Amino acid sequence: QSALTQPASVSGSPGQSITISCTGTSSDVGGYNLVSWYQQHPGKAPKLMIYDVTNRPSGVSNRFSGSKSGNTASLTISGLQAEDEADYYCGSCTSSSTVVFGGGTKLTVL
Amino acid sequence: EVQLVESGGGLVQPGGSLRLSCAASGFTFSSYWMSWVRQAPGKGLEWVANIKEDGSEKYYVDSVKGRFTISRDNAKNSLFLQMNSLRAEDTAVYYCARARWSGSYQAFFDYWGQGTVVTVSS
Repeated sequence: QSALTQPASVSGSPGQSITISCTGTSSDVGGYNLVSWYQQHPGKAPKLMIYDVTNRPSGVSNRFSGSKSGNTASLTISGLQAEDEADYYCGSCTSSSTVVFGGGTKLTVL
Repeated sequence: EVQLVESGGGLVQPGGSLRLSCAASGFTFSSYWMSWVRQAPGKGLEWVANIKEDGSEKYYVDSVKGRFTISRDNAKNSLFLQMNSLRAEDTAVYYCARARWSGSYQAFFDYWGQGTVVTVSS
């Protein structure tokens, strides 16, 4: 199972919006509405930010939103804040009942 | 409060073995699938294995099949990963995570431990 494709890095200024893409295939991202997104600060454990493409867990800011079109899912962060600077990973279920992650995207807040 | 605390990591020689543990609290452990996810130094996340609530089903990533065994003790709210025939490429931070399913599909991980470091080197 190949990893999902994410841009290596994205950046934005405070207050701006950014979007991180996550591209897979019809056997993972495109086949199921089961895409999740995780935030990871350096030296810390990943934190669930979005699940089932668009849902936010309790306690996650509504500045974070998810969407999907075909084989590509997206995470949008609006009103960028300094504390949003982190690595972001997408994940998707697969047709073989496993989970595959993206390679990760480093978000820099300028 | 959900807590997952891993232990058991360390330095091991290639070909050696290690057993990781994860102590769970703050939720009904026996009601959830559990998983191990690893992250090699400077790399992304990789799902390793998962186990059903009662331990009756287990799945592994191809690269660890036949070498790693996931297990659990619901009476002690504990998850384990027995790692044998370790290779340099198994070097990583290993996270214990609570897995959520949607129907027949593993969907996401809603809680993660802080991780335990495994280094395979001579």
